[in-house]
Amino acid sequence: QSVLTQPPSASGTPGQTVIISCSGSTASIGANTVHWYQQLPGAAPRLLIFNNNQRPSGVPDRFSGSKAGTSASLAISGLQSEDEADYYCAAWDDSLNGQGVFGGGTKLTVL
Amino acid sequence: EVQLVQSRGEVKKPGESLKISCKGSGDNFSNLWIGWVRQRPGKGLEWMGIIYLGDSSTRYSPSFHGQVTITADKSISTAYLQWNSLKASDSAMYYCASPGPYYFYGMDVWGQGTTVTVS
Repeated sequence: QSVLTQPPSASGTPGQTVIISCSGSTASIGANTVHWYQQLPGAAPRLLIFNNNQRPSGVPDRFSGSKAGTSASLAISGLQSEDEADYYCAAWDDSLNGQGVFGGGTKLTVL
Repeated sequence: EVQLVQSRGEVKKPGESLKISCKGSGDNFSNLWIGWVRQRPGKGLEWMGIIYLGDSSTRYSPSFHGQVTITADKSISTAYLQWNSLKASDSAMYYCASPGPYYFYGMDVWGQGTTVTVS
């Protein structure tokens, strides 16, 4: 069972906006920044959003992140077929001497 | 720009030991943290632990503490993940990744992954 909770699946049609949620605790999301990763089939994960809402260079502005309290969300607007992938949230957790934690992942299907 | 190159895949028997590597290239590599992430077949990402190349300070997930050992040799810009006695349940893809100079940053550089098969 993951420390951060994500819905196992999400779906949308091309052009739609999809939002993926990530719920944590006061020790994880409540105390630290949230990052989001995209993993395409057969590939290594890729950093999509860091520090709650920042995009690394090369990431389209269709991807955006937000955080409020102990929860965070990733929004994907103008959904495209190539967005079909697994998405993971992550954060540092200050409990138990500190550790990184991932969400269980959300598989996004573009219908 | 930092790049991470991992050692090739391994096939081992239960009870055997193993050490896989993650070699970095680029500037100021010794000022970086390198983390290890497990992904079992068809499953999600699991944070295992992280090491600071500068002084080999490490942090482990409680789930992996005592099960693996993370070390580094900054003279050759390489981090390692080691098992003393492998189990079938250790079969997985293992990624190294770097959050840069701060352990709590997002991991923006990833290795290509090392497949470990224990059978």
